[in-house]
Amino acid sequence: ETGVTQSPTHLIKTRGQQVTLRCSSQSGHNTVSWYQQALGQGPQFIFQYYREEENGRGNFPPRFSGLQFPNYSSELNVNALELDDSALYLCASSNTGSGYQETQYFGPGTRLLVL
Amino acid sequence: AQSVTQPDIHITVSEGASLELRCNYSYGATPYLFWYVQSPGQGLQLLLKYFSGDTLVQGIKGFEAEFKRSQSSFNLRKPSVHWSDAAEYFCAVHNNAGNMLTFGGGTRLMVKP
Repeated sequence: ETGVTQSPTHLIKTRGQQVTLRCSSQSGHNTVSWYQQALGQGPQFIFQYYREEENGRGNFPPRFSGLQFPNYSSELNVNALELDDSALYLCASSNTGSGYQETQYFGPGTRLLVL
Repeated sequence: AQSVTQPDIHITVSEGASLELRCNYSYGATPYLFWYVQSPGQGLQLLLKYFSGDTLVQGIKGFEAEFKRSQSSFNLRKPSVHWSDAAEYFCAVHNNAGNMLTFGGGTRLMVKP
């Protein structure tokens, strides 16, 4: 069984640029959630994707957007990068069924530095 | 809206000593509660979870947690800490829709030899 994988592991961008982060879900999982973890803080929910549609969103501006593909993998896109976007971005996969969601399992994260 | 508080930012214990990490939550319904552990520069690993039933749940690496509804708490315990347990520990709660985890600020555990 393959766990959650993320790419790249590290990334350096400059303010104003755009970035795309990628996540492959764990085998058997159909749902992907994204979290932002700033240094010294707990993860904050960005959004979740299920059946290729957004299924809930946290308090993040529209320049944070995402996609889910038919194979359940996902992308997180951030436009017009700001210095405060520097963080560890975590992807989690889970299985959604009729009326329930199972435990979220996390990948190793992508560390983004915005200069 | 749900929230999670971890009152202790840092805890230092001696190797072999017992450990208790505190977690308090605020949630209107029956909570789904989790403990995750994060080693430096790594992702989150699930230690244990509570959905329903027995309020004392067992997890990996010898950890356990007890759900106390009257105190809105879900404290993590381990009877004897190993040096490899040094890490950051996060308590989290699921929302009603189950699509969002709300995390506490974390507790950094240091283990003295």
